[in-house]
Amino acid sequence: QVQLVQSGAEVKKPGSSVKVSCKASGGIFSNFVISWVRQAPGQGLEWMGGISPMVDIANYAQKFQGRVTITADKSTSTAYMELSSLTSEDTAVYFCVRELSGRYYDSSGYWGGMDVWGQGTTVTVSS
Amino acid sequence: DIVMTQSPLSLPVTPGKPASISCRSSQSLLHRNGHNHLDWYLQKPGQSPKLLIYLNSYRASGVPDRFVASGSGTDFTLKISRVEAEDVGVYYCMQALQTPFTFGPGTKVDIK
Repeated sequence: QVQLVQSGAEVKKPGSSVKVSCKASGGIFSNFVISWVRQAPGQGLEWMGGISPMVDIANYAQKFQGRVTITADKSTSTAYMELSSLTSEDTAVYFCVRELSGRYYDSSGYWGGMDVWGQGTTVTVSS
Repeated sequence: DIVMTQSPLSLPVTPGKPASISCRSSQSLLHRNGHNHLDWYLQKPGQSPKLLIYLNSYRASGVPDRFVASGSGTDFTLKISRVEAEDVGVYYCMQALQTPFTFGPGTKVDIK
C-alpha cells in the first residue's frame, strides 16, 4: 500500500526557511497528486498547495503565494515543501497528502479524496 | 475562497447511540460531473487525519458502514448510526470543488 514518510521535526529562526520532504513508497509516484496541509497548534487544517509530478505543475493557496514552493523529484519519489520568511505563525504540523485526483491534467473532476497522509512534520519557529 | 462551517463544534456522544454533524459551504459544491465535491475526515487524538467519505457519500476503503453521509449543494451531513468508543476525535468536512481546498473548523466528538 502507498505510504508517505516525512522528514523530522525542525526548529527555525524567524525570517529563515524550512524544507520538508515527503517520500512515497508502494505506488507509482508520477501518477500521484501530492498536497501539503498544515495544522497550527490546537487549530484546524489548512491547505497550502499541491503538485502533480507527472506534469510538473504546482499550484498554491493565495495566502502562501510567493512564500511556498512545492516540488517533486520523480527519481527518488519524493515531494518537497519549502516555506520562506518564517514567522511564529508558521509554527505548525505540516502534512503531505496523496490526492486521488487528476486535476492538473484531467477536466472530468475525478476525485477520490485525500486518501493517504504522511505522519506530519512539526516545524517550530522561535527566536 | 469557499468558506466551510460545521455544527456543532463539540458533540458529546453515548456509545451505541446515533450522532450527526452538519457542514455548510458558502457556495454550491456541485461539480458539472454531477458529484458534490465534499469530503469528511476524522483526526483521532495524536494522529494524522484519515479519509472517511469522499464525493459527499462514498465511504473510503475500510470505513465501517455505520458512517453515512449525505447532502447536496451547500448543506451536508455525516451520521454515525451507532457510535463506538473508537469514533472519538475531530471530524472535518472539506470542499474539493476548487483550490484552495478549504476545511470546516472541525467537530470534536467525545464520549459523555
